[in-house]
Amino acid sequence: KNQVEQSPQSLIILEGKNCTLQCNYTVSPFSNLRWYKQDTGRGPVSLTIMTFSENTKSNGRYTATLDADTKQSSLHITASQLSDSASYICVVRGSGGSYIPTFGRGTSLIVHP
Amino acid sequence: EPEVTQTPSHQVTQMGQEVILRCVPISNHLYFYWYRQILGQKVEFLVSFYNNEISEKSEIFDDQFSVERPDGSNFTLKIRSTKLEDSAMYFCASSGGTGSIDTQYFGPGTRLTVL
Repeated sequence: KNQVEQSPQSLIILEGKNCTLQCNYTVSPFSNLRWYKQDTGRGPVSLTIMTFSENTKSNGRYTATLDADTKQSSLHITASQLSDSASYICVVRGSGGSYIPTFGRGTSLIVHP
Repeated sequence: EPEVTQTPSHQVTQMGQEVILRCVPISNHLYFYWYRQILGQKVEFLVSFYNNEISEKSEIFDDQFSVERPDGSNFTLKIRSTKLEDSAMYFCASSGGTGSIDTQYFGPGTRLTVL
């Protein structure tokens, strides 16, 4: 069964600090992995997408990494801001005919001033 | 910037009643999706829709659910005979393509509460 596991479940950091969120998946065959940011009461917004051949992708202060061999991804947030407080969701899609994505439960990040 | 809109933002209904959740996708998008998120749980795929028919659906999307594109702008999710466990946030999304790398743009969601 396809699964996406994220850690930690929640994280509290001080403004200006860096943090790294983890995602492990069992989706196979693999097509791509996205990180989404979901503000409270809002829909998810795509931050990055990575395919099998990509190891690193950045979007401003967000940098995602992918190790397709170990089926792990991370999202690194640099110089955190109060507005980074949100849930960060890892979503993996397989290949082979179905486009149904598998969502992780998300990591709830709180940035304190 | 174009965005997906959803109405109502919050819907309260009695168990057994029918509800229709409405979505206006981004105007030039052709692929539409519904997801749900039960409070405290992960987002779950319900259905994808293209060219006036369902492309894929999950196990959750049983005969209780139906989708429709009644005109050129709206995309609706109908839930018949609602149950307590249907209480959730329902998100609509749209994309320009159906390739797995195409970005889906999510609406703000409709919170459905079944009493």
